This record gives sequence, C-alpha cells and structure tokens, in this order.
Amino acid sequence: SQTIHQWPATLVQPVGSPLSLECTVEGTSNPNLYWYRQAAGRGLQLLFYSVGIGQISSEVPQNLSASRPQDRQFILSSKKLLLSDSGFYLCAWSVGPSGQQYFGPGTRLTVT
Amino acid sequence: QKEVEQNSGPLSVPEGAIASLNCTYSDRGSQSFFWYRQYSGKSPELIMFIYSNGDKEDGRFTAQLNKASQYVSLLIRDSQPSDSATYLCAVMDTGNQFYFGTGTSLTVIP
Repeated sequence: SQTIHQWPATLVQPVGSPLSLECTVEGTSNPNLYWYRQAAGRGLQLLFYSVGIGQISSEVPQNLSASRPQDRQFILSSKKLLLSDSGFYLCAWSVGPSGQQYFGPGTRLTVT
Repeated sequence: QKEVEQNSGPLSVPEGAIASLNCTYSDRGSQSFFWYRQYSGKSPELIMFIYSNGDKEDGRFTAQLNKASQYVSLLIRDSQPSDSATYLCAVMDTGNQFYFGTGTSLTVIP
C-alpha cells in the first residue's frame, strides 16, 4: 500500500531563517506530487505541483520554491521566511487521471 | 477564477440524524468531485469521490452530483460524534487542476 511521509511534524522558525520541508511517497511510481498551505481557519492553497522529476509548476508567486530530486521525493524550501509563511503545510500525491489526492500528515510551521 | 463554495457552518446535528453538506462549483467543465474529512489539527482524509451524475453510496456516506446545477453534496446517515470534523469539497477541472472549498464544520451532538 502507499504511504506518504512528511517531516518535521512541527517547526518554529524566526523570520528571515531558511526552510526545508521534505515529503516522500512509498509504494507507488511516477506520482503527481503537490504542496499545499492551509492558514489558520482558511482553505487549502495549492503552492506547487509536479508531474515528474525536475518538473515543477508554481501556482502562487511567493518566497517559496520546490524541487523534486527523485521520483518520490518533493522538497519545499525558502531562503528567508516571512511571518505570513506560518501555516499547515501539506504534501499530497495522486496517480493517473482519476485525480484522487492523498495527503501526508503535514508540517505545522510557526514563524516568529 | 474558478470557485468552490461551501457553507462554512458550523452545522450541528444530533447523534443518529442525517447530516447534509453542500458544495457548488463555478467551472461547468469540472469532471471529478471529492469529499475530504479533516479533524482538527490533522490532514485531510479522502472519504468519497464521484464522477457521474447521481448518487454514490459507501457505508453511511452518500455523495450526490448534479452537473447541470453544478452542485455536489455529501449525506452522512446515522451521524456519530466521531463524524465531527470539517468537510472539504474538492473539484478537479478538465486540466486536472484541483480546487478546494473552505470547508464546512460539522458537530454531531451526543
């Protein structure tokens, strides 16, 4: 069966510090991968999605970037965090045209 | 801008009752529709998906889709306190782009 991992689970970072969040998927090949952010009391905002290694599409201009160095690894990064970057970061995967997305456990980021 | 609209609630129902959650979407070309359950502090969990007009039943859950009215709903029969959560509606368009509603908060009262 498929499993998706995210780490760390929680993170507290000062403004201006760098960020690296990692997501890995097990049990499937060639997944579509997604990064979402959910601010407190808000809906899910799609940040990036990837259909393959090195293929990244950005949905929202911001100080975040994403990379996919391996088929089942997706990384979200920032060089300098802003207060507005606080939120619940979710990685998701899907396979094929069905569109069913499955979410990882998430990383709760607080920028202080 | 494609939109998915949900009543934010909160929706309260007594235990054993039917909970009805509604969602409308703006893109008439949308093809696939999903319901996620999100407990407080947790990530969303896929509970239902529907692609064709009509009803789809899975246990206590029924998803209903009406593409002409651009409307999708989720019915939860015999509601339990463990069903208390936020329910997110998601729509996938013809370009395989996902759009989420902001969710409806459901509380099942024992």
